[in-house]
Amino acid sequence: EAEVAQSPRYKITEKSQAVAFWCDPISGHATLYWYRQILGQGPELLVQFQDESVVDDSQLPKDRFSAERLKGVDSTLKIQPAELGDSAMYLCASSLAGMWETQYFGPGTRLLVL
Amino acid sequence: GESVGLHLPTLSVQEGDNSIINCAYSNSASDYFIWYKQESGKGPQFIIDIRSNMDKRQGQRVTVLLNKTVKHLSLQIAATQPGDSAVYFCAENIWGAQKLVFGQGTRLTINP
Repeated sequence: EAEVAQSPRYKITEKSQAVAFWCDPISGHATLYWYRQILGQGPELLVQFQDESVVDDSQLPKDRFSAERLKGVDSTLKIQPAELGDSAMYLCASSLAGMWETQYFGPGTRLLVL
Repeated sequence: GESVGLHLPTLSVQEGDNSIINCAYSNSASDYFIWYKQESGKGPQFIIDIRSNMDKRQGQRVTVLLNKTVKHLSLQIAATQPGDSAVYFCAENIWGAQKLVFGQGTRLTINP
């Protein structure tokens, strides 16, 4: 069964450093989502792509976070500089175009900022 | 702020018993709801969904009930098994938004 791939699974970094996460969605899924999940809370949408275009980044802290999906397939989420409060699980999900109700989640990248 | 939340952060039940996980939402314009299961170290996994024009929907061992009058959603799991131990989230879509807003989560523990 096809799955959303994410790497790394775990990342420890010091504050003020740059960090990047990678996501490879299920083949054929045009829509890609990045969520942040703080421990004990539900995921919060950071950014949504349709192919290579951003369709919603209203909750993305743009002063330090950036996301790209240059070829409309895999995607990278970057934080620079990282802050202590960025410690969280970063989840990637994908869906077929227009099928936002059916999102498939990857295993996530757990980030710890020291 | 969050418009979806859960009444209880933790729930423990005996194996074989039924469990009920609750969720409250505040936006009357919410038209679609999903329950997700998240096991440790994994991403959320779809369990069951329901649209606002329905009151009840059943799946395999799971039932979702929607009470729009009091803005309440519940997930019933029948004959719980050890594999049901996880954190359960409800999520909603506000009409027209086409994106999911997640609640806080309930940790379900199945005791042998």
